[in-house]
Amino acid sequence: SYVLTQPPSVSVAPGQTARITCGGNNVGGVSVHWYQQKPGQAPVLVVYGDSDRPSGIPERFSGSKSGNTATLTISRVEAGDEADYYCQVWDISSIHPVVFGGGTTLTVL
Amino acid sequence: QVQLQQSGPGLVKPSQTLSLTCAISGDSVSSNSAAWNWIRQSPSRGLEWLGRTFYRSKWLNDYALSVKSRIIINPDTSKNQFSLHLSSVTPEDTAVYYCGRGRMAGSGDALDIWGQGTMVTVSS
Repeated sequence: SYVLTQPPSVSVAPGQTARITCGGNNVGGVSVHWYQQKPGQAPVLVVYGDSDRPSGIPERFSGSKSGNTATLTISRVEAGDEADYYCQVWDISSIHPVVFGGGTTLTVL
Repeated sequence: QVQLQQSGPGLVKPSQTLSLTCAISGDSVSSNSAAWNWIRQSPSRGLEWLGRTFYRSKWLNDYALSVKSRIIINPDTSKNQFSLHLSSVTPEDTAVYYCGRGRMAGSGDALDIWGQGTMVTVSS
């Protein structure tokens, strides 16, 4: 089945840029969505369709893709950005059409 | 704005059926541009999509293969809500369960609205 690989953790100082990657076979051929989840809360969509932002999400959050790797970039990181981040794709050809990555914990130093 | 409100028991006995409901406000379960999903999260499985129901001239469902033999997701148009029924549960079904709205974004749905989550424990 489809597997999305994320680094378990990323650490960054306040004001710096965090980059979280999501890799997998054929990521280049499908749309990637990104979610932020803080402890005890439901996930929140922060990027959809590889690089679009829902209303209300700061411009500091951006998405991109190169080949089979998608990247969530958080610029000017703030303490409030500390959370788990998950990528997700929809692959109708897969036996599991909705797949989430294993998640990346962003720590703000 | 669109909100999803979950309800249902937090404790289910092994071999019984887990049932949860998600009430929709600000949108319609019969919308032609949304799908209504159930997702669960546990330390061992991470985020796991379970299935969805949606209306495109008729009611349709998609289910994850891992639960396909045990799951039913159905809409209730009179109450503008949808429900999850997962039968023959085991302790491995212990998780936080979320409902979510899916909207088409590129090649596949993004889950743009989530319910608050329900911790369900399977134990005797």
